[in-house]
Amino acid sequence: DAEITQSPRHKITETGRQVTLACHQTWNHNNMFWYRQDLGHGLRLIHYSYGVQDTNKGEVSDGYSVSRSNTEDLPLTLESAASSQTSVYFCASSGDTGELFFGEGSRLTVL
Amino acid sequence: DAKTTQPTSMDCAEGRAANLPCNHSTISGNEYVYWYRQIHSQGPQYIIHGLKNNETNEMASLIITEDRKSSTLILPHATLRDTAVYYCIVRVEGTYKYIFGTGTRLKVLA
Repeated sequence: DAEITQSPRHKITETGRQVTLACHQTWNHNNMFWYRQDLGHGLRLIHYSYGVQDTNKGEVSDGYSVSRSNTEDLPLTLESAASSQTSVYFCASSGDTGELFFGEGSRLTVL
Repeated sequence: DAKTTQPTSMDCAEGRAANLPCNHSTISGNEYVYWYRQIHSQGPQYIIHGLKNNETNEMASLIITEDRKSSTLILPHATLRDTAVYYCIVRVEGTYKYIFGTGTRLKVLA
């Protein structure tokens, strides 16, 4: 069965370190998204991509970057992790129907 | 992009219908209404979507008012496993950008 997977599921890092969260989908979807979820804020869109070599900023993109070199993967990079980036991160993908499929989330703690 | 407004929380008795409202008064003609739910800390799960007509699937029904300014998600026979946060969002046709609000926390009571 097609799926979307995130790794690592849990990570603890220190302020200033570079961190990369991986997202891999086997749906062959063109559209991929990264969200963060914090208490009281629901899901907020960080970056999204409509296809290979396409990336776009979302609501809260400062401090984050993404790259799309193939259809299956959209890694999210925190160039210099900050405590404010402690959060749960969700990756999602969608095809032409518009239905979003989410991964199980990656919990990041920045000390 | 149209914004949505939902009540913060609702309770529903097990076995009864759960009716979750959503206001999207600034919705434009080509924006779809989607509903998702999130159980505990899992990734959100798709429930249903619609443009202007009412929709029904195995999980729920979606009622959209004629002026499209609001909608209601109906879970016909709520169970304890339906306890979750429910999100109503809109998507502009031709784009795949979704903006989530804070959702409605539904608690199904035994």
